[in-house]
Amino acid sequence: DGGITQSPKYLFRKEGQNVTLSCEQNLNHDAMYWYRQDPGQGLRLIYYSQIVNDFQKGDIAEGYSVSREKKESFPLTVTSAQKNPTAFYLCASSRRQGGDSYEQYFGPGTRLTVT
Amino acid sequence: QQPVQSPQAVILREGEDAVINCSSSKALYSVHWYRQKHGEAPVFLMILLKGGEQKGHEKISASFNEKKQQSSLYLTASQLSYSGTYFCGLIQGGSEKLVFGKGTKLTVNP
Repeated sequence: DGGITQSPKYLFRKEGQNVTLSCEQNLNHDAMYWYRQDPGQGLRLIYYSQIVNDFQKGDIAEGYSVSREKKESFPLTVTSAQKNPTAFYLCASSRRQGGDSYEQYFGPGTRLTVT
Repeated sequence: QQPVQSPQAVILREGEDAVINCSSSKALYSVHWYRQKHGEAPVFLMILLKGGEQKGHEKISASFNEKKQQSSLYLTASQLSYSGTYFCGLIQGGSEKLVFGKGTKLTVNP
């Protein structure tokens, strides 16, 4: 079955450590996205990528980094520079972006807790 | 700029109707609607495009008023399965990013 996988579902880290969240899709989608969700805040865009080896900052990119070396994969690194990293992280993909509007398919999310 | 959703929360009895609104301060290109159940991923409901085209997977209706820069989602004869948080996402003129509202929590009781 086609879809988006995120791992792990729950992640615990100590303050000051970098952590990488995995996101893989087998939908053959060009565009991929990372969102952060906090209670009562909706979904806020961290980074997005429309093609391999290219990505753009979203609205809250500070303290995060990404790579897009393969079409299927879009890992997110939460660095120690992110001041409040505890949140629910959602990865999504769509056929493409820019000029047209396609629905986004979301992965199950990773709940990150940093203490 | 983040779209404004209203109401923030609504409680219904099964079979009742609800309307969820989403407004923008900028010209809109398209509006997306998603539903998220607690602890799960958001699921696509509908896209409304400038010009009137709609794409959706469920029997949910919505409107898109370009002049007023707003969209409304209509949930009729609500079922228990409609419970969840509804998000609108906007692609505003001049941007290629989808910007989500803070959500409307819908609770349907028996």
